[in-house]
Amino acid sequence: DTEVTQTPKHLVMGMTNKKSLKCEQHMGHRAMYWYKQKAKKPPELMFVYSYEKLSINESVPSRFSPECPNSSLLNLHLHALQPEDSALYLCASSQDHAGTYNEQFFGPGTRLTVL
Amino acid sequence: AQSVAQPEDQVNVAEGNPLTVKCTYSVSGNPYLFWYVQYPNRGLQFLLKYITGDNLVKGSYGFEAEFNKSQTSFHLKKPSALVSDSALYFCAVRVFSGAGSYQLTFGKGTKLSVIP
Repeated sequence: DTEVTQTPKHLVMGMTNKKSLKCEQHMGHRAMYWYKQKAKKPPELMFVYSYEKLSINESVPSRFSPECPNSSLLNLHLHALQPEDSALYLCASSQDHAGTYNEQFFGPGTRLTVL
Repeated sequence: AQSVAQPEDQVNVAEGNPLTVKCTYSVSGNPYLFWYVQYPNRGLQFLLKYITGDNLVKGSYGFEAEFNKSQTSFHLKKPSALVSDSALYFCAVRVFSGAGSYQLTFGKGTKLSVIP
């Protein structure tokens, strides 16, 4: 299995809602990533987990809360988002993270709309 | 700062003609460079990477890239473009982010349109 899956595909939420994005991979990768991508722009790194520990947090607002329950799963918990948070949220994984140049495998993304 | 630049927002090419999507890099030390493609409403797909060795790197779907150290470039090429190659292409470089960690920094992207 060489796939990264993400659910849901689309999500519409109000500014007071709490929701979660889910990402899963079964390639035995030990590094997992969350990116935010606005239309026609490059992905912006949000978080990196390496061996299930948070390795990088790119100064992301606390209304985004990542979680890595195990080596195959990555969640992004959302609370009190703003309309400007509307974007495509991409999950990726790679063999490992620190000191490596292994390519990242991306999921199809979750299209998030905040009303 | 370590970065990549994609000088063209858009590239148009006729089907069957060769295509080139340009990327230049600014890196201290040896660069680790990548190309990704993104189709509409999809995630990024890895095409190829340069780490070391041969300057001509072959990748997926008939794409290749030429690493040129003197020109600090890593242009993506394909001998004969297909309409299905129309997509957004990102060049990326691995950068050191401290404490033994690395991350990818992406160029702004180049939209490739292959005209039938």
